[in-house]
Amino acid sequence: QSVLTQPPSVSAAPGQKVTISCSGSSSNIGSKFVSWYQQLPGTTPKLLIYEDNKRPSGIPDRFSGSKSGTSATLGITGLQTGDEADYYCGTWDISLSFGVFGGGTKLTVL
Amino acid sequence: EVQLVESGGGLVQPGGSLRLSCAASGFTFSDYWMTWVRQAPGKGLEWVANIKQDGSEKNYVDSVKGRFTISRDNTENSLFLSMNSLRAEDTALYYCARKHPAVGTPLDFWGQGTLVTVPS
Repeated sequence: QSVLTQPPSVSAAPGQKVTISCSGSSSNIGSKFVSWYQQLPGTTPKLLIYEDNKRPSGIPDRFSGSKSGTSATLGITGLQTGDEADYYCGTWDISLSFGVFGGGTKLTVL
Repeated sequence: EVQLVESGGGLVQPGGSLRLSCAASGFTFSDYWMTWVRQAPGKGLEWVANIKQDGSEKNYVDSVKGRFTISRDNTENSLFLSMNSLRAEDTALYYCARKHPAVGTPLDFWGQGTLVTVPS
């Protein structure tokens, strides 16, 4: 199982807001920045959030990131059917000395 | 335009070896940490290994330590992953990814991946 824990799935209606949690420990989320990735069906992962809450150029402000202690959260507002994808959190683990990802969360826009 | 193109995947018997390559273009390759990430069929992402700009620092996930070696050739703008003693659980799509300049380990560009299959 993954070092970082995400819910397997979340769902919400178009136009609504959803949050995806990522739980870790003091050796990863608690001490290192978190990134978030979106993987649309059949495509490669895309960076959505870095340094906990920053968006790369071209990522709409509907996507936001936050962190508190050893947990991080991805928020998506104004949900669209095109947001249906798998979402992953990732960071570095200072005890393991390698990068870690969450198990992924499948977002369904009903 | 940043491009990462992986190659070298294929079908290999348990205990065999493969060498993956990743050809980079559209950016100054020698300025960036590079990473390999894999994804088993129908599964999530797994971080595999990364390498510093000059190759002086390398890190590996525990499950591949001693079997896989990451390397790079900055004169050829290429990243490599040498894989030995392959196991069925190494079956995955292997992505080459560039680390964003920001602090931490964000990966801002990914290749399309190369598939490695090790039958059980």
